[in-house]
Formats: sequence, C-alpha cells, structure tokens
Amino acid sequence: GENVEQHPSTLSVQEGDSAVIKCTYSDSASNYFPWYKQELGKGPQLIIDIRSNVGEKKDQRIAVTLNKTAKHFSLHITETQPEDSAVYFCAASLSYSGGGADGLTFGKGTHLIIQP
Amino acid sequence: DTGVSQDPRHKITKRGQNVTFRCDPISEHNRLYWYRQTLGQGPEFLTYFQNEAQLEKSRLLSDRFSAERPKGSFSTLEIQRTEQGDSAMYLCASSLRLAGYNEQFFGPGTRLTVL
Repeated sequence: GENVEQHPSTLSVQEGDSAVIKCTYSDSASNYFPWYKQELGKGPQLIIDIRSNVGEKKDQRIAVTLNKTAKHFSLHITETQPEDSAVYFCAASLSYSGGGADGLTFGKGTHLIIQP
Repeated sequence: DTGVSQDPRHKITKRGQNVTFRCDPISEHNRLYWYRQTLGQGPEFLTYFQNEAQLEKSRLLSDRFSAERPKGSFSTLEIQRTEQGDSAMYLCASSLRLAGYNEQFFGPGTRLTVL
C-alpha cells in the first residue's frame, strides 16, 4: 500500500518569512495530493490540492509543487501570519478518471509555529 | 452550517461497552469516508461508501467495527466490545464523485476515550 513520509515534524518561522513542508510517497500510481490544515480540537481543513497532471498550483500565499519522477511534493507558504500556526498534513491517493478518490494516506503532520 | 457534522463530539466509555457514532455529510455528496486519528498522527483510512454501498475497508477495520449508510445519506460507525486501544478521534469526510472532483471535506470528529 501507499506510504507517505512528511518532514519536518516541527517548523518554527518568523512572521513574514516563508515555510516549506515536504512529503514523499511510495506508490507511483497515486495521482491526487491534497494538503490539510488542522487546528486544535478541529477536523482537518482542505487548503490546496494538486493532481499528477500538474507540476505546480498556487492559491494566494500558498503553493504546492509536485515532482512525479522523484515522488515528492511540497507545500510553500509565503508571508506567514500568526493564523497560519497549526498542524499541516499532506496526503496521497489514487483517483479514478470517473471521479472520486479512494481513502487518503496521510503523512504524520508538521506542527508549524509562527513566531511574532 | 452546511458542512460535515458528527455526533457526539466526545464519548467516554468503559472497556467492553459498545459505542455508535453518527456522521451527516454535506447534503449533495455521495461519498462518505471514515478515518481514525490518534494523538500526534495523521488520520488513518478505515472505510468508505458510495451512496449506500461500502466499497472499501481497511485492514484497520477489525471485526469489532461496523459501518453503515442505509439510505445513502448519514452514516453510523459502531465499535463493539471497546478496548483501550480504540481511544482516538474518529473523523468523517464526504466528497462528490464527479469527474475531476476529488476533494474530501472533514467533520469536526468524535473523540472516543475508553477507560
């Protein structure tokens, strides 16, 4: 089955700086890669995703890049703000052409701390 | 609020008791997923439904666990003869199965504590 590794487990950055979180996956058949943000006591919130036919996707201050050959993908957050402090999870799954994804395989999470 | 809802939010039970959790997905979503999350870990996939059909079950879903989605709307997850190792957050997610749409949206979870 799929295995997703995520690094680092904790990341502390100064407010206004950029943060980068990296993930690798094992199953070359995986083709859907979402990122979730989870705040204490809440469920994961989808913040951005990317499909394997795209190398990069951007949404305001967040971007995700995908390298299918190396089987790794990264989350980039620019101009970090205090409200970005949370645990971030990457995930991977196989999505069929007919739509819908199988169960997601998650990384272990990165605790992002934004220092004021 | 039209997001995924779960009930109860917290459940404390004694070892050996049965518990049941409910998930109400986003109304037009036809796929519903169950995950389990332990402290400091990412969610782990348990099972999912498309409408009322249960399409996949993880090896994590032991015989003590059963999930249903009888009318293709809400779902229940039952754990029989609970064990301390079942203590975790149980998360539900839903998605709309259409070409190009894969996003899974999560509910707030049910935190189970087995004493």
